[in-house]
Amino acid sequence: RKEVEQDPGPFNVPEGATVAFNCTYSNSASQSFFWYRQDCRKEPKLLMSVYSSGNEDGRFTAQLNRASQYISLLIRDSKLSDSATYLCVVLNAGNNRKLIWGLGTSLAVNP
Amino acid sequence: ETGVTQSPTHLIKTRGQQVTLRCSSQSGHNTVSWYQQALGQGPQFIFQYYREEENGRGNFPPRFSGLQFPNYSSELNVNALELDDSALYLCASSFGGRANTGELFFGEGSRLTVL
Repeated sequence: RKEVEQDPGPFNVPEGATVAFNCTYSNSASQSFFWYRQDCRKEPKLLMSVYSSGNEDGRFTAQLNRASQYISLLIRDSKLSDSATYLCVVLNAGNNRKLIWGLGTSLAVNP
Repeated sequence: ETGVTQSPTHLIKTRGQQVTLRCSSQSGHNTVSWYQQALGQGPQFIFQYYREEENGRGNFPPRFSGLQFPNYSSELNVNALELDDSALYLCASSFGGRANTGELFFGEGSRLTVL
């Protein structure tokens, strides 16, 4: 089992749609969680950190479920500019502290 | 812009050759991480440098090596290039070494093609 697994893409949605991505992680001791966005042939950029209480930034909402070991990203009122790959990232604590990256989920928002 | 710069942006090498990629970190950041991203894959952690020392390494062979300089800029060296080394190499700048919270600032990457 991979350490971080994401929904297989691609997701094709019309403008204005609501879309949700899920990500599961295998290490119950994982400490911190993030969503990064990567545009085609560009570098990843931090979209948002994911907090235990859940957090919202405009149209984007991130949730963490530690009991089930998954995080989610909800995008409301999709825009064409939301088209990108969304990467789930988990920070493992302890002696082997490092970031583990998912493969990413591709989103295409269509007019 | 993140303030992280990488060079060169694109390069082509042949099998068996050596390559050096360079990265200047964001002002105030003392940690540089290097990632390899193959087409259609997520970034794979190569190693991290903090205050001029390697302080974390992923599952990459010894022919992947690096340096960090007193100004916190960094180099990634790859010897004996193989076809599978073709990828986007990303440098990420941060603060705090292994204590970093996971918020990274990436350069635009160096796209390496090995023929």
